[in-house]
Amino acid sequence: DAKTTQPNSMESNEEEPVHLPCNHSTISGTDYIHWYRQLPSQGPEYVIHGLTSNVNNRMASLAIAEDRKSSTLILHRATLRDAAVYYCILYSGGSNYKLTFGKGTLLTVNP
Amino acid sequence: DGGITQSPKYLFRKEGQNVTLSCEQNLNHDAMYWYRQDPGQGLRLIYYSQIVNDFQKGDIAEGYSVSREKKESFPLTVTSAQKNPTAFYLCASSTTVDTEAFFGQGTRLTVV
Repeated sequence: DAKTTQPNSMESNEEEPVHLPCNHSTISGTDYIHWYRQLPSQGPEYVIHGLTSNVNNRMASLAIAEDRKSSTLILHRATLRDAAVYYCILYSGGSNYKLTFGKGTLLTVNP
Repeated sequence: DGGITQSPKYLFRKEGQNVTLSCEQNLNHDAMYWYRQDPGQGLRLIYYSQIVNDFQKGDIAEGYSVSREKKESFPLTVTSAQKNPTAFYLCASSTTVDTEAFFGQGTRLTVV
């Protein structure tokens, strides 16, 4: 299975942009890049996903490297409610829809 | 409203007893997943199912069993063979890799 590598933790100030990196050097052509976040004692929440092109939605932007071996989740203006563990996941396609999580990045947002 | 429901939210059991965790979805999703999360750790995949009457082992299937008799339901049984069953259990569902996965709110199982 293709793996992802994320920093264990990152810190940001409120109302500043946050760039959360993810390396996935063994990504295959059928893998979608998904991002989820999890607040304490809750289930993960979908943030954004993409395949090759950069993606934007109301929550965040996803920048995908041209070779697809890395990606960056961008929170344009961090708020205290964005403090969570962020998971970068390669969602395997083909005939095997296997959704596997890594350890994620704990984002702390300072007021 | 459409969603995925796990019950109960908290569950206590004595050591050596089997226990079944419920997961129901009304999203018409084909794929369903079970994860285990220990304190300060990420999610580890226990079992997943892509279609009714079919399921595959994840990374930590030992001591667990599942069934998928209906599209809407994917119950997880924690058996007495699971050495350290106390954990936070999460269920998820999805349609394809090009759409988001939805998660339940989890069941916190404590074995005493």
